[in-house]
Amino acid sequence: KAGVTQTPRYLIKTRGQQVTLSCSPISGHRSVSWYQQTPGQGLQFLFEYFSETQRNKGNFPGRFSGRQFSNSRSEMNVSTLELGDSALYLCASSYSGGPRETQYFGPGTRLLVL
Amino acid sequence: EDQVTQSPEALRLQEGESSSLNCSYTVSGLRGLFWYRQDPGKGPEFLFTLYSAGEEKEKERLKATLTKKESFLHITAPKPEDSATYLCAVQVGQGAQKLVFGQGTRLTINP
Repeated sequence: KAGVTQTPRYLIKTRGQQVTLSCSPISGHRSVSWYQQTPGQGLQFLFEYFSETQRNKGNFPGRFSGRQFSNSRSEMNVSTLELGDSALYLCASSYSGGPRETQYFGPGTRLLVL
Repeated sequence: EDQVTQSPEALRLQEGESSSLNCSYTVSGLRGLFWYRQDPGKGPEFLFTLYSAGEEKEKERLKATLTKKESFLHITAPKPEDSATYLCAVQVGQGAQKLVFGQGTRLTINP
């Protein structure tokens, strides 16, 4: 079974630009979560989508948004990029996002903001 | 506020030298505790899930245990390929998934 895939793997942007990251979950998985990983803050939860609806959101500004499509693929958008947005963005999927379900992570998209 | 603390931050061992990593947590409504392994430049790789105090899981040289306040990841006779960052995360909240991660333990096994 193919794992979680994320595109692109690497991205370089400049301050003020916007960026869209894509995530394809494991086949059959309908819950997709996004995390930001930085050396200083570690892994932090951004948001979770299930059946095209955002069910949970972390403590990030409104510049961070996402959506999920009917085939469970998800995109994450960051507008008006800041230097501090440089990070590894990780996507994770699980079957239904229920309690005790394991989340499986993709390889991440490394974003560098100059 | 939900909080997960891992110790030590970094650990260097000789091949074959057993040790334990600690993950302590203060959360409301723990749904499960997860251990992941992360290699440089890659996403976290799932290792174990623990749900209730007293539970234990094993996989090759790794064994995870859970109490009401902390979890341990025991590494027996490690090999250089066990070198990685080990992350502990707790699942909190009702229904929707949100993992709260610790900062990780960077483990290095010298041959």
